[in-house]
Amino acid sequence: AQSVAQPEDQVNVAEGNPLTVKCTYSVSGNPYLFWYVQYPNRGLQFLLKYITGDNLVKGSYGFEAEFNKSQTSFHLKKPSALVSDSALYFCAVRPPNTDKLIFGTGTRLQVFP
Amino acid sequence: GAVVSQHPSWVICKSGTSVKIECRSLDFQATTMFWYRQFPKQSLMLMATSNEGSKATYEQGVEKDKFLINHASLTLSTLTVTSAHPEDSSFYICSARGAGQGVRNEQFFGPGTRLTVL
Repeated sequence: AQSVAQPEDQVNVAEGNPLTVKCTYSVSGNPYLFWYVQYPNRGLQFLLKYITGDNLVKGSYGFEAEFNKSQTSFHLKKPSALVSDSALYFCAVRPPNTDKLIFGTGTRLQVFP
Repeated sequence: GAVVSQHPSWVICKSGTSVKIECRSLDFQATTMFWYRQFPKQSLMLMATSNEGSKATYEQGVEKDKFLINHASLTLSTLTVTSAHPEDSSFYICSARGAGQGVRNEQFFGPGTRLTVL
């Protein structure tokens, strides 16, 4: 079955430190990969995507993600976290030849001052 | 660009009544719209996919007679929760994919509608 795993329910990091939010997937073929952020009682905001090309993708608000095909991972990263980055982050995969997005369970990022 | 709105943002209704939620793409034409349901502290679960002018495709386990979806135009899809019950209380989120080059590859999400059924 196709799936997306976000192994950490919560990630805590001090402001100014680098952050990583992990995502691995199990999908056949070459899927499109996405990261979204959700603030309380809000819909999802698009951060970045990988379709093809350079494995390091840069997105909104200073976030970036690295695609690793051999490890089927797409970890989200930011060199220096801000308190305002605290939110719920979702990794999503769009399998080839479909319109559907498969979401991970989400990781809550808490950045402490 | 690529803004999706939902209305209402929250609604409280009595058990047994029906509630309609609207999803609009404001600055692009959405050939495909998706409806998701999100339970507290959980991920988004796809309920159905709708293409403009055709019947929605429901995911397994989603009652199509209870969750009526209409996608009558390229900018509007509606979800009607019929005979709502407390267990239907949830956060409903729509998303839209466009037909143009610039918005072809991702879904743009609405802000969500919180439904509370008393």
